[in-house]
Amino acid sequence: NAGVTQTPKFQVLKTGQSMTLQCAQDMNHEYMSWYRQDPGMGLRLIHYSVGAGITDQGEVPNGYNVSRSTTEDFPLRLLSAAPSQTSVYFCASRGTGPAGELFFGEGSRLTVL
Amino acid sequence: AQSVTQLGSHVSVSEGALVLLRCNYSSSVPPYLFWYVQYPNQGLQLLLKYTSAATLVKGINGFEAEFKKSETSFHLTKPSAHMSDAAEYFCAVTHRNYGQNFVFGPGTRLSVLP
Repeated sequence: NAGVTQTPKFQVLKTGQSMTLQCAQDMNHEYMSWYRQDPGMGLRLIHYSVGAGITDQGEVPNGYNVSRSTTEDFPLRLLSAAPSQTSVYFCASRGTGPAGELFFGEGSRLTVL
Repeated sequence: AQSVTQLGSHVSVSEGALVLLRCNYSSSVPPYLFWYVQYPNQGLQLLLKYTSAATLVKGINGFEAEFKKSETSFHLTKPSAHMSDAAEYFCAVTHRNYGQNFVFGPGTRLSVLP
C-alpha cells in the first residue's frame, strides 16, 4: 500500500548545486503536483501535471523544473539551488472526479546553505 | 481569484474541550472543500471533504465540518479534544474553474493541553 513515495527525505545542498527530488505513485492517477511548505504560508503549488507529457506552472515555479514521462513518476529538479529554496517539499497525486482528493507523500526537507 | 483564510495560526484547547478551527473561502462558483491534518514530520492526511452531497460532513477521528454557503465557511469541529489531535490543520478548496489544482489556507496549529 505504497501510495505516493518521495525521496530523499532529507537533503542539504550548497548554493548553486542542482538536485532532483523523486516522486512516484502507484494509484494510476493522472494528476500529480509539487508543493512547498513554509511556516505561516501553507502549501504553495510549484508545478503540476495532468498526464504524461503534460506539465504546467503553479504559483511559485521559478528555479524549478519538472517533467512527466510516465504516469507514475513526477520528478522535481532544482537547477541552481538558492537559500530561498530551503523548505519542505511535498508531492501529491489526485484521485479521479471533480471532488477527488490529494494524496500526499511524506515530504522532503531541503536545506540550502 | 479564490483564496482560503484560517482564523488563528495557533489554537490551544484543554483535553476534553470542544475543538473549533475556522476556515473561510472565496469562490465565484460552487467549491469542493477539504480539511487535511499534518502530524509532525509527516505528510498531509485527508480528514474530510465537502462535495455538495450534504452540508454536514463527518470525517475520521471524530471530526466534522459544516458547509455554510451564506457565510462562505467550512469550520472544523470536534466535541472533545484528545491529546493525539495535536497537529497542524489545513483547509483547502478547489472547483471546476481552477482545473484540478487546490488552494490551501495557511494552516492552524492545534495544541491540546492536559
